[in-house]
Amino acid sequence: AQSVSQHNHHVILSEAASLELGCNYSYGGTVNLFWYVQYPGQHLQLLLKYFSGDPLVKGIKGFEAEFIKSKFSFNLRKPSVQWSDTAEYFCAVIHSSGAGSYQLTFGKGTKLSVIP
Amino acid sequence: DGGITQSPKYLFRKEGQNVTLSCEQNLNHDAMYWYRQDPGQGLRLIYYSQIVNDFQKGDIAEGYSVSREKKESFPLTVTSAQKNPTAFYLCASSIPGGVYEQYFGPGTRLTVT
Repeated sequence: AQSVSQHNHHVILSEAASLELGCNYSYGGTVNLFWYVQYPGQHLQLLLKYFSGDPLVKGIKGFEAEFIKSKFSFNLRKPSVQWSDTAEYFCAVIHSSGAGSYQLTFGKGTKLSVIP
Repeated sequence: DGGITQSPKYLFRKEGQNVTLSCEQNLNHDAMYWYRQDPGQGLRLIYYSQIVNDFQKGDIAEGYSVSREKKESFPLTVTSAQKNPTAFYLCASSIPGGVYEQYFGPGTRLTVT
């Protein structure tokens, strides 16, 4: 079965520090990849997505992610975090579940705490 | 505004009772999904529906049931057979297919005692 691994359960950073959150997936075929973010008390929302083309994708609020096919990875980065980036971040992979249906498989999430 | 509505935000039930969680969307999406979120577990798929009157089991369907009689509605029933029902439940919708993102509702926190 396809799986998504996020390496860090909880990351604590000071403001202005650089961020990199790891994500690896197990599926060997064509994949579409997402990072979602859940701010405290808010809806889960899309941060960025990769379907094809340039493997470096840019999302909202200064986030970017790089798809490295050979490493089955889709790591999330931000050069300088802010206190408002405190949230839980989920990597997800969409895959076919047969007969034209698709499922989104999520990683277990990484909590980011940014200290002012 | 277009979006997904889940009600209620908090729900409390006694063990042994069935409970139905509501999910409504006005995004005109054909596909709808139910996830369960537990601390440290991420989101796990319970059921999904690609079109009205059709739905499939996800990874953790045991103890749950759904219906999809209308395009905009996808209610989830947590039955007494679900062994550990206390959790945060998220509903989502999307255009069907592998290249479209899912949009999420605000969630319902169910507590069963």
